[in-house]
Amino acid sequence: GAGVSQTPSNKVTEKGKYVELRCDPISGHTALYWYRQSLGQGPEFLIYFQGTGAADDSGLPNDRFFAVRPEGSVSTLKIQRTERGDSAVYLCASSLMASGISNEQFFGPGTRLTVL
Amino acid sequence: TQLLEQSPQFLSIQEGENLTVYCNSSSVFSSLQWYRQEPGEGPVLLVTVVTGGEVKKLKRLTFQFGDARKDSSLHITAAQPGDTGLYLCAGKAETGGFKTIFGAGTRLFVKA
Repeated sequence: GAGVSQTPSNKVTEKGKYVELRCDPISGHTALYWYRQSLGQGPEFLIYFQGTGAADDSGLPNDRFFAVRPEGSVSTLKIQRTERGDSAVYLCASSLMASGISNEQFFGPGTRLTVL
Repeated sequence: TQLLEQSPQFLSIQEGENLTVYCNSSSVFSSLQWYRQEPGEGPVLLVTVVTGGEVKKLKRLTFQFGDARKDSSLHITAAQPGDTGLYLCAGKAETGGFKTIFGAGTRLFVKA
C-alpha cells in the first residue's frame, strides 16, 4: 500500500517568493500533521488537521505560513514571502485517528526547501 | 514550554558493543515514542511507552519509560551497522492536545 507522499521532494526558491508544498496522506487517515526539521534538529510541530479543519495551528511560526486540507485528504502548506530562515525539510505525517495517546504517525520523506 | 533533551547527541561505536541513549524532560508526558530516521526519509516509529516504569523490548532494543513519566531510555545490545541512524524521542504532553514534541535526536554510527 502507498505510504505518505510529499511533492516536490526538493524546492529551491528565492527570498520573497511564494511556495506550496503538498502532502498526500495514507488513504483513510483522518489526522494529518506538518512538521519542520532543521539541520541537526528533531521535527518541530507546525499544524495538525482533523479532517478538513486545523485543530491546532499553534506551531506555525508567523502569518506567512498557512495550510489547508479542503477535502480532508490532501494538504498544502503555503509559505508567503519566503525568508532564508525558512530553509528546512518540511515533513508531513498522517495517522488513522488522533484520539488516544498512542496513535501512530506515518511520515512522508519530506520536502527539502532551500531559500536563496 | 515542554522540552525533550536527548543525550548523547552523537555516538560512534564498534559492531557488537552495547549502548544506551537518554531522553529527559522536566515535564510529564502522557506517552513517549522512539523513532528512527535515516537520511532522506521521515522518522519511523519504533515503540510507544505509556505507563510509568514500563519496559518494552523489540529484538535487541530495550525501551524504558521513567516512573515519573519524565524520561526514557533506549538500550541497544550488540549493535550492528544496520542500527546506524538518527534516534528521536517524542512525547505528547500530559495536559492533552495532539501536539507532539520531538527531541533533537541521537545520531548513532555503528562501525563494522
